Amino acid sequence: NAGVTQTPKFQVLKTGQSMTLQCAQDMNHEYMSWYRQDPGMGLRLIHYSVGAGITDQGEVPNGYNVSRSTTEDFPLRLLSAAPSQTSVYFCASSISTGRGSNYGYTFGSGTRLTVV
Amino acid sequence: AQTVTQSQPEMSVQEAETVTLSCTYDTSESDYYLFWYKQPPSRQMILVIRQEAYKQQNATENRFSVNFQKAAKSFSLKISDSQLGDAAMYFCAYRRDSGGSNYKLTFGKGTLLTVNP
Repeated sequence: NAGVTQTPKFQVLKTGQSMTLQCAQDMNHEYMSWYRQDPGMGLRLIHYSVGAGITDQGEVPNGYNVSRSTTEDFPLRLLSAAPSQTSVYFCASSISTGRGSNYGYTFGSGTRLTVV
Repeated sequence: AQTVTQSQPEMSVQEAETVTLSCTYDTSESDYYLFWYKQPPSRQMILVIRQEAYKQQNATENRFSVNFQKAAKSFSLKISDSQLGDAAMYFCAYRRDSGGSNYKLTFGKGTLLTVNP
């Protein structure tokens, strides 16, 4: 049981380049999300998905795209990287809420992205 | 919108002593969940403890316990018998229990805990 797998762990991009951060989970979780972590800012929600084919914007969606074609995968695309997107990115997943369930998220190990 | 506030950017504690990390939150909901996550230097986010708002009893997990004051919207974390491995960034987080956005976690900005030998 791998949990939530994020790749790559580190990445350096040049301004204007595009790339995709991969996220996969093997727990059959309906909910998946992407957060970015910046010093002094905590974790902020970029995009989230409540199931295959359904995505929505979070708090800081500009410059990012997502899609959810399968339950397992939730890639995050940077369309044209900017230095302001230098951050640590976390993918997280969760089962549906309901009393008696585990309401917490399972996080990936994060991707440290630097845009120069 | 819900907000989570951690007023202590940094805290320190002597090994084997007790430390309390503060968290307050703002919500108009009556049903929700609160969490404390630990992030060691490895960067991994680890769930420490969770509290359901409908439960009056404070959650406890070994050396970790919370003081949940629903009326005051306060959710502090107490770490007893602190160990060197407890040194980490700690995040308080909120999740509502109803409606279409009940899967979103809202985080505080974190408290960096140092444990001195």
